[in-house]
Amino acid sequence: EIVMTQSPATLSVSPGERATLSCRASQSVSNNLAWYQQKPGQAPRLLIYGASTRATGIPARFSGSGSGTEFTLTISSLQSEDFAVYYCQQYKNWPVFGQGTKVEIK
Amino acid sequence: QVTLRQSGPALVKPTQTLTLTCSFSGFSLSTSGMCVSWIRQPPGKALEWLARIDWDDDKYYTTSLKTRLTISKDTSKNQVVLTLTNMDPVDTATYFCARTVDYTYFDYWGQGTLVTVSS
Repeated sequence: EIVMTQSPATLSVSPGERATLSCRASQSVSNNLAWYQQKPGQAPRLLIYGASTRATGIPARFSGSGSGTEFTLTISSLQSEDFAVYYCQQYKNWPVFGQGTKVEIK
Repeated sequence: QVTLRQSGPALVKPTQTLTLTCSFSGFSLSTSGMCVSWIRQPPGKALEWLARIDWDDDKYYTTSLKTRLTISKDTSKNQVVLTLTNMDPVDTATYFCARTVDYTYFDYWGQGTLVTVSS
């Protein structure tokens, strides 16, 4: 089974700053990688698929990059509504999620 | 507009069987490439994929729970049902259903239903 490892577990960022989240796969998943945002009490929301394609309605400040085993989600200028938990998920094989990165206000 | 909604008991006792229903609209599970999965999330923990049913009635389960899970669909009612037998307190979680197109990522999610296992 492919294992997805996210880092850091918690990221403290000031509003307006840039946030960089990492996701590593235990073996290559090519570009079969999605990112989700989850706020307390809500379902996850799809942000990025295909490692770098923004889902419908997702602001341009969210961008994804990487392929193979190393992936990055970048939020260029954090807005108040972006403080949440972010999960990566590979779909090359059976779906596996990372453990999540919590982006909190510094 | 695609929507999904989970329904089922909020509380089950240990050893009981959990039955959850996902009612959806805006797409058909008889359309090629459409799939519905169940995913759960214990309080404060990460997401775990449980099972998937495809448009052609193929079914897939996570290895660790395969013996306890059953997924089925009623295409005419736009519903997917998940059963999980022999419930244990560690199965306490929010259970989500979500749509997948062409066996990829989850593009639409239900709001989730919290199931607590306690005597």
